[in-house]
Amino acid sequence: QVHLVQSGAEVKKPGSSVKVSCKASGGAFSSYAMSWVRQAPGQGLEWMGKIVPILDVANYAQKFQGRVTITVDKSTNTVYMELSTLRSEDTAVYYCARQAHGTFDYWGQGTLVAVSS
Amino acid sequence: EIVLTQSPAFQSVTPKEKVTITCRASHNIGSSLHWYQQKPDQSPKLLIKYASQSISGVPSRFSGSGSGTHFTLTINSLEAEDVAAYYCQQSSSFDLTFGQGTRLEIK
Repeated sequence: QVHLVQSGAEVKKPGSSVKVSCKASGGAFSSYAMSWVRQAPGQGLEWMGKIVPILDVANYAQKFQGRVTITVDKSTNTVYMELSTLRSEDTAVYYCARQAHGTFDYWGQGTLVAVSS
Repeated sequence: EIVLTQSPAFQSVTPKEKVTITCRASHNIGSSLHWYQQKPDQSPKLLIKYASQSISGVPSRFSGSGSGTHFTLTINSLEAEDVAAYYCQQSSSFDLTFGQGTRLEIK
């Protein structure tokens, strides 16, 4: 059984950066892409990008290009998502999710990032 | 970007009712359409993949159909525990996108 555990909630100032982690256990970590999906309060789901650990290659949604960086530490089965130049509209719950053939089959518990001055 | 439009956005339902949620794609996506359930304060859960393929552990009252640009999620004989938001998601294009969601509430 795959288990994804994310880091805790963050409160950030506008213009700063945040880095959220997602540690995976169970399953073949390196063989699957890991994606980040966010959800603003009361809103829907938005895909931000993904990384394939075995290739150490990341791809990003056009909307977030230049502002998001997804990295992986294969020694600890941990994926990171860093979002820079934060603004109030980035306040959301950020989820990591394992991507299997186009679907998201396992999800982390979510990390609330609040951006406020 | 492929836009997914769900309808209805909100529905008030009664137990044992048959519920149908529609997802329309702005471009032909074949069968690359998946459905998720998100209960309040929980992470989303995969319900149906590739339009109609069932997922292990998901109750059989959930089923999906469609192809191209028109898809449906059907809940036969809704149970109170099915109160949730439902999202469609496409994997046909590089930028993965979701529908805006359909929220079900018990009447």
